[in-house]
Formats: sequence, structure tokens, C-alpha cells
Amino acid sequence: EPEVTQTPSHQVTQMGQEVILRCVPISNHLYFYWYRQILGQKVEFLVSFYNNEISEKSEIFDDQFSVERPDGSNFTLKIRSTKLEDSAMYFCASSEDRMETQYFGPGTRLLVL
Amino acid sequence: DQQVKQNSPSLSVQEGRISILNCDYTNSMFDYFLWYKKYPAEGPTFLISISSIKDKNEDGRFTVFLNKSAKHLSLHIVPSQPGDSAVYFCAASDQGGNQFYFGTGTSLTVIP
Repeated sequence: EPEVTQTPSHQVTQMGQEVILRCVPISNHLYFYWYRQILGQKVEFLVSFYNNEISEKSEIFDDQFSVERPDGSNFTLKIRSTKLEDSAMYFCASSEDRMETQYFGPGTRLLVL
Repeated sequence: DQQVKQNSPSLSVQEGRISILNCDYTNSMFDYFLWYKKYPAEGPTFLISISSIKDKNEDGRFTVFLNKSAKHLSLHIVPSQPGDSAVYFCAASDQGGNQFYFGTGTSLTVIP
């Protein structure tokens, strides 16, 4: 069964460093999403992406964040200058259509020191 | 601003009994609801969904009920099995469908 994959599974970085989280969505899906879950808190929406542009973003997704689909398979989330509060589990998801079920990847646990 | 709420952080149920997980929402524009199951160290896995034109959707042991007037939905699992032990997230979306709002999750433990 097709699945969303994410790399790396864990990332430790120093505050102020840039990180890039990678996702490979399901191949025939057109909509892509990033979510995060701070330990012990709810899953929060960050951004949705369609047709090579951001379709919606939350207030969490500020200028420090960017997303890109550099080729036909990868979908990346870049945090330009990480802060301690960026430590969280980051989930990528994809869906065939806007209202279709979103399939989640296993997540990348980011720890900012 | 918590638009989707799961007020029970945890629930324990005996194997074979019914598990009922509850979810409340505040935004009357929400019209599509999903339940996800999450095991430790894994991403959320889709379980079942319901749109606002229905009040019940059933898939095997899982049934979701939607009460639009009360802005409440529930997930029933019957009979509960030990493998159902996981964190269950309720999520909701409006007609735009770009953004899903998640509850904080309910940790279900099914006791053998």
C-alpha cells in the first residue's frame, strides 16, 4: 500500500541553525501538508500546498518557515533559523483532492538545543 | 483558540466492551470530520470520516456519530480489542478543506 515517507526520523540541531525536513508524498496525490505536534499538545496545522504554491497557512507558519516541491517527488519544510520552541514532531501529509482523507507520514522529531 | 476539543485525555475499557470517544467543536462552518488513530512513534492513521450531510457512518467495528445541533461527534468501537489501544484524534474541516483542526487526543487503553 502506498505511504507517505519522511526523513530524517530524528533531527537534533542548535538554535539558529537551518533545518530541512523531507517528505515523499503518495505519488498520485496533489495536495500536501505539514503539521506539527509539540510534546503533549495537539496536532497543529502549518501549511497546505497545491499546484506549486501555498494554498493556506496558519499563523505558526511565519517567515522562518518555507515549503518547496523541488522535484516531482519530494516536499520539503525548511526552518530558516530554528528556535527552542520549534522542537516538535513534524508530520507531512498528502491527499488526492482537497476534501479527501489526508495520509500522514511517520513524522520527524526535531529537537532544537 | 481550541476549535476542536476532546475533553477526556484518557479512557480505559475492558476487551470486548464498547469504547466511546467524544469530540466537540465550536465552528459551525465545519462540515467534514475525521478520526485518526496514532500509535507511539508513528504518524496519525486515518480511521473513519463523516460529512455533515450524514449523522452516522459505520465501518466494521467503528462507527462515528455526528450531532450537528450539539456540535458533537463520537467514535464507537465495538467490540474493543487490545490492538485498539492508541491515541485517537478527532479532526474537523470546513468546506475549503485546506486546513484540518485537530483535538488534543484521547488515549485509549483496552485491557485484556
